[in-house]
Amino acid sequence: DIQMTQSPSSLSASVGDRVTITCRASQGISNYLAWFQQKPGKAPKSLIYAASNLQSGVPSKFSGSGSGTDFTLTISSLQPEDFATYYCQQYNSYPLTFGGGTKVEIK
Amino acid sequence: EVQLVESGGGLVQPGGSLRLSCAASGFTFSNYWMSWVRQAPGKGLEWVANIKEDGSEKYYVDSVKGRFTISRDNAKNSLYLQMNSLRAEDTAVYYCVRHYYMDVWGKGTTVTVSS
Repeated sequence: DIQMTQSPSSLSASVGDRVTITCRASQGISNYLAWFQQKPGKAPKSLIYAASNLQSGVPSKFSGSGSGTDFTLTISSLQPEDFATYYCQQYNSYPLTFGGGTKVEIK
Repeated sequence: EVQLVESGGGLVQPGGSLRLSCAASGFTFSNYWMSWVRQAPGKGLEWVANIKEDGSEKYYVDSVKGRFTISRDNAKNSLYLQMNSLRAEDTAVYYCVRHYYMDVWGKGTTVTVSS
């Protein structure tokens, strides 16, 4: 199975900060990586697929990069509505696996 | 509007069964792989199973193999998850999700396995 490791597991940031979350795969997954945002009590929301493609309707402050084993999600200027937990997911091979999540909290 | 609506969750005793359903609307259901993803209380996301557009391929996480069965009815725009031999560790919110890169999610249905 491919293990997905996210770092950090949590972070505190201020409104306006640039935030970067890292996701590392235990083996190469090409660009078969997605990112999700989840707020408490809500279903996850898709942000990015194929490592760097923004889902329709997702603001351009979100961006993704990487290929192979190392990936990043960047939020260019953190806003109050961005405080949430973020997950990465690989769909290169079965079983499909998620990272453990990164909780972004208000400083 | 693209929408997925799950139903069928509830409280069940260990060893019992439940059948989850997902009603899809707003898109051509038969053109998409579909998945079930679950989230135990206070935990992260776990992919459970998915199924090809025509139902010819199905994949499962090891922990549910032999106990859960994913199926679909394209004529009814519906996805199903038959869950047998339920265990306490199956307690979770179960989400119906479009595609293997999970672009659309339902709101989820809660399954609680407890005596």
